Amino acid sequence: AQTVTQSQPEMSVQEAETVTLSCTYDTSESDYYLFWYKQPPSRQMILVIRQEAYKQQNATENRFSVNFQKAAKSFSLKISDSQLGDAAMYFCAYRSAPANFNKFYFGSGTKLNVKP
Amino acid sequence: GAVVSQHPSRVICKSGTSVKIECRSLDFQATTMFWYRQFPKQSLMLMATSNEGSKATYEQGVEKDKFLINHASLTLSTLTVTSAHPEDSSFYICSARKQVDDTGELFFGEGSRLTVL
Repeated sequence: AQTVTQSQPEMSVQEAETVTLSCTYDTSESDYYLFWYKQPPSRQMILVIRQEAYKQQNATENRFSVNFQKAAKSFSLKISDSQLGDAAMYFCAYRSAPANFNKFYFGSGTKLNVKP
Repeated sequence: GAVVSQHPSRVICKSGTSVKIECRSLDFQATTMFWYRQFPKQSLMLMATSNEGSKATYEQGVEKDKFLINHASLTLSTLTVTSAHPEDSSFYICSARKQVDDTGELFFGEGSRLTVL
């Protein structure tokens, strides 16, 4: 099975500042998706951003952007102009190829604190 | 966006009883749904992949007789925790992919917190 590693259990950032969350993964597949999901205290997972492995261009979504390094199997999330509402658990996720039922595997999560 | 609804959001039951959790895709059809279990301050652990009209595929270490999954239609999957015990207490989350116009992402339910006394 694929593994997803988030090495930062908890991070803090000052409001309006920028923070980067790290994620690495291990796979032998060439076709896959990567995602960052946010889980606020309400517990429902919300998609933040996604990246198709075949695309070299890094995905961006407003204040959220990724640094996708396919060869290094790294997929970090940058949050710019951090807001109080960004405080949550962030999970990096890997979606496997169709032959493997498109399973999703999640990292252990990073708790992001945003200080006012 | 796509909406996945999970019910009940909280359930408390006595040890030895069975509990059913429903997962519905409200505005799209989902050939495949996934069931996860999340322990406090931990990640989501994939329990099984639920495929409409066929048997679920369980991850290694997950007891199929303990966690019964039924995916009878393209919009409904159920997880039944049979003969529940306190160690089954956890947060259970379902998710679904779109059958048509698959954007690659998973859509999640709100989760169900099971407490077994």
